[in-house]
Amino acid sequence: QKEVEQNSGPLSVPEGAIASLNCTYSDRGSQSFFWYRQYSGKSPELIMFIYSNGDKEDGRFTAQLNKASQYVSLLIRDSQPSDSATYLCAVTMDTGRRALTFGSGTRLQVQP
Amino acid sequence: KAGVTQTPRYLIKTRGQQVTLSCSPISGHRSVSWYQQTPGQGLQFLFEYFSETQRNKGNFPGRFSGRQFSNSRSEMNVSTLELGDSALYLCASSNPASTNEKLFFGSGTQLSVL
Repeated sequence: QKEVEQNSGPLSVPEGAIASLNCTYSDRGSQSFFWYRQYSGKSPELIMFIYSNGDKEDGRFTAQLNKASQYVSLLIRDSQPSDSATYLCAVTMDTGRRALTFGSGTRLQVQP
Repeated sequence: KAGVTQTPRYLIKTRGQQVTLSCSPISGHRSVSWYQQTPGQGLQFLFEYFSETQRNKGNFPGRFSGRQFSNSRSEMNVSTLELGDSALYLCASSNPASTNEKLFFGSGTQLSVL
């Protein structure tokens, strides 16, 4: 079992809809949680991070964390074709360290 | 402010050879970490350096090694290359003084082993 699981997709949503991306992790000691966006042929770019249970909002993005269920999600409101990319979930056990464990990513396609 | 610079961008080697990849972090960033990305395994952590010391190491064989210099630039070395080492190698820098642990990735070095 992989430590960080994501559905590979593709997840296809129409423009303007809400895209919901999900991630589960196996290590209960995980402390920090990140969402990276990676366009084809480009390097990953951090879009959200969350440490505490609950929701964290930044513009059109909302990260949700439930440590009891070992579940983290990313909601993208008003999806745009430019949001089409692979979204990588990453976790780390040790806050302050940079040893991230990544999921395999979910490919999102936003249809115009 | 210049981003993370990785050189070379592309590299072709044959089995058994060794290779050295270079990474220059963002000015002021003292933490440099390395990741391997393949279609099958995704992004996997190799190691992290801070102030010339290896702080963390991933689950890779000893053929993979790295170092960091006093100016925070880092190199990683892979000896006795295998076909399975073909991958995109990404370097990321971060500022440990920052509370958000934001990793800034370079464009990567695409290594092909023939």
